[in-house]
Amino acid sequence: DAGVIQSPRHEVTEMGQEVTLRCKPISGHNSLFWYRQTMMRGLELLIYFNNNVPIDDSGMPEDRFSAKMPNASFSTLKIQPSEPRDSAVYFCASSQTSPGELFFGEGSRLTVL
Amino acid sequence: AQSVTQPDIHITVSEGASLELRCNYSYGATPYLFWYVQSPGQGLQLLLKYFSGDTLVQGIKGFEAEFKRSQSSFNLRKPSVHWSDAAEYFCAVGLIQGAQKLVFGQGTRLTINP
Repeated sequence: DAGVIQSPRHEVTEMGQEVTLRCKPISGHNSLFWYRQTMMRGLELLIYFNNNVPIDDSGMPEDRFSAKMPNASFSTLKIQPSEPRDSAVYFCASSQTSPGELFFGEGSRLTVL
Repeated sequence: AQSVTQPDIHITVSEGASLELRCNYSYGATPYLFWYVQSPGQGLQLLLKYFSGDTLVQGIKGFEAEFKRSQSSFNLRKPSVHWSDAAEYFCAVGLIQGAQKLVFGQGTRLTINP
């Protein structure tokens, strides 16, 4: 079975550009999470959805970040405009009902110049 | 707010040696506890979890962890490490009420000497 699929795997962009990261969760999973990983701050939860509804977006750093989940099989994380401090690896994860058992994608490495 | 501390940033052990990775948490009640492993360039994979009951839990790849309430600890162990265990290991905590929202420790990078 396919796992969580993220795209792109690598993205290099210039400051001020819009960045869109995409995620396809595992079929049948009803929760989806966006995490950001940096050396300085470790793994941070940005936002998570249950049944396509955003439940907690308290980790979204600022208004430049937005996330959507239009259906059960697709989510996007958008940064507009991007800044160098947004450089990180962004992970998408999905889960079913078992608490804490998250299935992670391979991540999208973002570099903002 | 709950927090997770992994005191060791980097540990090096020889292949075949035993391993213990430390994890301490701060929370007013017993949270849900997890260990995840991340290989280079990969996402995280769940090794094991503790919700309640037996305080010694078994996971995949020969790992186990013991919950000690008195010490607020959930240390990960393996009796004999293999070169393929080299990775980064993350302890995580979930609130009972919102257990799907996890707080991760900073991670411990494990290096294996041949």
